[in-house]
Amino acid sequence: EVQLVESGGGLVQPGGSLRLSCAASGFTFSYFAMHWVRQAPGERLQYVSTINSNGDITYYANSVKGRFTISRDNSKNTLYLQMGSLRDDDMAVYYCAKPYSSSSYWDGMDVWGQGTTVTVSS
Amino acid sequence: SYELTQPLSVSVSPGQTASITCSGDKLGDKYVCWYQQKPGQSPVLVIYQDNKRPSGIPERFSGSNSGNTATLTISGTQALDEADYYCQAWDRNTYVVFGGGTKLTVL
Repeated sequence: EVQLVESGGGLVQPGGSLRLSCAASGFTFSYFAMHWVRQAPGERLQYVSTINSNGDITYYANSVKGRFTISRDNSKNTLYLQMGSLRDDDMAVYYCAKPYSSSSYWDGMDVWGQGTTVTVSS
Repeated sequence: SYELTQPLSVSVSPGQTASITCSGDKLGDKYVCWYQQKPGQSPVLVIYQDNKRPSGIPERFSGSNSGNTATLTISGTQALDEADYYCQAWDRNTYVVFGGGTKLTVL
């Protein structure tokens, strides 16, 4: 079964840091780019970041650029999101997601994790 | 930055056809996909590359994209189709772009 399992969410103070992980199974992780998408309570889906299959090309939404870092360890089938300088508006459920195609990053995300919740509060 | 606009809500009677639109500048030049999200659940891809259905998605889900508007059509809508629906496209500057979401009510 193809599966993504996020972890690492929790309560963090404004200005703090947190690292999210996403463990992949059931598919050849190293073949696929991977995405992070977040959703604040009652709000729309919001793009966060993308990393290519090798880990040497990354993309970020303007709202997180310079504060968040996406990375991956293909030997561990794991995706990461290092979040720093956290703000109130970073509070959301964070999902990792797999692209439908290994040859195109952007054609739709066919597998999503269950999400991990990040709460930013003093 | 690139933006996608969806209606906040759409209502449909059971068995009827629901159409959810997604508008963006020259959207027809891009691939569009659609996600279904039920309360407390993760999104599910229902349409990719404008009109293709992933395996396991019922045939009643279809999509089209032309000009500035993409449309998700649900034929013979069922109560279990009640959910939020998001369109998504890719833009060279903004990368992944999501619409604001449409709440589909089946009543």
